[in-house]
Amino acid sequence: AQKITQTQPGMFVQEKEAVTLDCTYDTSDPSYGLFWYKQPSSGEMIFLIYQGSYDQQNATEGRYSLNFQKARKSANLVISASQLGDSAMYFCAMREGQDDKIIFGKGTRLHILP
Amino acid sequence: NAGVTQTPKFRVLKTGQSMTLLCAQDMNHEYMYWYRQDPGMGLRLIHYSVGEGTTAKGEVPDGYNVSRLKKQNFLLGLESAAPSQTSVYFCASSLSGFADTQYFGPGTRLTVL
Repeated sequence: AQKITQTQPGMFVQEKEAVTLDCTYDTSDPSYGLFWYKQPSSGEMIFLIYQGSYDQQNATEGRYSLNFQKARKSANLVISASQLGDSAMYFCAMREGQDDKIIFGKGTRLHILP
Repeated sequence: NAGVTQTPKFRVLKTGQSMTLLCAQDMNHEYMYWYRQDPGMGLRLIHYSVGEGTTAKGEVPDGYNVSRLKKQNFLLGLESAAPSQTSVYFCASSLSGFADTQYFGPGTRLTVL
């Protein structure tokens, strides 16, 4: 079974609209962390946001926020007021406490339309 | 700070040739990682290191070797390249563990003919 599932291979969104990128995860470890990374067409990987399993509040970083629903095992990334520069591939990733590794999802390609 | 740098950026090898990819970080991070990214897929961890002189296997270690002789450098070696190793290779580092933010290098695009 996949540990990280990103069900949207591609999305098209109008500029200035909010975007939600889906991520569901599978783990039985009570201690884990969830990450979102952005990969523009230039290829580099850019860290966006992190949520720990014990964090009480949803993580936020500027225009990025993480909609963490523990019972549903989902950690969706929300981008408010999207910009053309947000067009990129977005990866969700998970760290499990026991395994001490990071597992990446297959990514969602986001296209922001002018 | 340069952050994480990788050399080379591009390389083409013939089957059976060997090469070494170099990763360097100037952030005094303990942890360093090598990933590969294949088309349409996320990153997969090849090897990682939790400190100078240490290495450990990741998810897909076969066909690769690594060394961490100096804290700031993490080398990835391919002893006998195969077409299945055609991929984009990313190096990353983090301060003190997997739970910390990983900072990535720009990647190396390797093609094995």
